[in-house]
Amino acid sequence: NAGVMQNPRHLVRRRGQEARLRCSPMKGHSHVYWYRQLPEEGLKFMVYLQKENIIDESGMPKERFSAEFPKEGPSILRIQQVVRGDSAAYFCASSPASGRATGIQYFGAGTRLSVL
Amino acid sequence: AQSVSQHNHHVILSEAASLELGCNYSYGGTVNLFWYVQYPGQHLQLLLKYFSGDPLVKGIKGFEAEFIKSKFSFNLRKPSVQWSDTAEYFCALNYGGATNKLIFGTGTLLAVQP
Repeated sequence: NAGVMQNPRHLVRRRGQEARLRCSPMKGHSHVYWYRQLPEEGLKFMVYLQKENIIDESGMPKERFSAEFPKEGPSILRIQQVVRGDSAAYFCASSPASGRATGIQYFGAGTRLSVL
Repeated sequence: AQSVSQHNHHVILSEAASLELGCNYSYGGTVNLFWYVQYPGQHLQLLLKYFSGDPLVKGIKGFEAEFIKSKFSFNLRKPSVQWSDTAEYFCALNYGGATNKLIFGTGTLLAVQP
């Protein structure tokens, strides 16, 4: 049973470019979460999505960041016009649902974004 | 605002030593509490969780944690650590509702010396 798959594992971008991070949830999971880990900090929630819906984006920066989870295919976290401060590890998690037992989140290995 | 504090940022132990990692949270309502572990180069894995019931929960690999409501704490323990326990440990909570988001502490980096 494949776990949460994130790609790429490492991504290097120059300032002003776009970064696209992909996340395929575990089989049977329809809830996806994105977290960001800045150096020397814990993981910070960014956005929570179900298929074709954004449920909670309270942790997303208002500009340049967007996320989607289409009916088919992986969830995408998109960062436009990247800046050095976007350099971080981005983790995706998935769960089968949002209830107490079924809301346990399983994490991917992360994408490490470096902005030059 | 809800928050999770992990007071030990770096811990160094010798093999067979006992481990206790502190975790305190701030939230007045019902919470679900978690400890995750991240081994070098790997993804976060769930060590154990507390939803309700017995405040002493047992997880994988000999870890346990105790929920003390009056102290808003959920400390992680292991009686005898091994070199393979070298990893980063994260305490986290969520509180249900429409969002299932996890709020994480800053993590504790544990190094076990053989």
